[in-house]
Amino acid sequence: KAGVTQTPRYLIKTRGQQVTLSCSPISGHRSVSWYQQTPGQGLQFLFEYFSETQRNKGNFPGRFSGRQFSNSRSEMNVSTLELGDSALYLCASSTATSGGPDTQYFGPGTRLTVL
Amino acid sequence: AQSVTQLGSHVSVSEGALVLLRCNYSSSVPPYLFWYVQYPNQGLQLLLKYTTGATLVKGINGFEAEFKKSETSFHLTKPSAHMSDAAEYFCALSSGSARQLTFGSGTQLTVLP
Repeated sequence: KAGVTQTPRYLIKTRGQQVTLSCSPISGHRSVSWYQQTPGQGLQFLFEYFSETQRNKGNFPGRFSGRQFSNSRSEMNVSTLELGDSALYLCASSTATSGGPDTQYFGPGTRLTVL
Repeated sequence: AQSVTQLGSHVSVSEGALVLLRCNYSSSVPPYLFWYVQYPNQGLQLLLKYTTGATLVKGINGFEAEFKKSETSFHLTKPSAHMSDAAEYFCALSSGSARQLTFGSGTQLTVLP
């Protein structure tokens, strides 16, 4: 079974621009979560989508948004980019067959550099 | 609130020596606990997980971890380190109705020849 895929793998943008990252979950997985990884803040939860609805959201400004499509693929968008948005953005998927904790499987990440 | 603390941001061991990476957690409800490994310029790979049941869990690449509720710990061990084990290791927690993971700050493992 193919793993979680993320596109693009690398991205360079300038301040003020916006960016869209894409994530395709493992086949059959219905939940997609996004995380931001930086040297200073470590791994932080952005949001989770399940059945095209945002289920949970981390403590990030409204410039960070996402969506999920009917095939469970997900995109996240960052508007008005700031230098501090430079990070590795990781997508994870899980089956979400129960209402509780789940095992998440991660993609390779998208490395975003903001100049 | 839940949290994960990894003791030691950097650990060095000699090839063939015991690997011990420490993780302590805080959770008001029974947690699911995970160890992930990250190689340079890659995503996170699941090493092992504890959900319920047996407290000693075995994972890939010879790693294992023991859930100790009384000590709120979930330390990762491997009897004999290999050069290929050099990477960053993350302990993570999920609990209650939330599927989001709370991560520790990571431990960079160096394996010396």
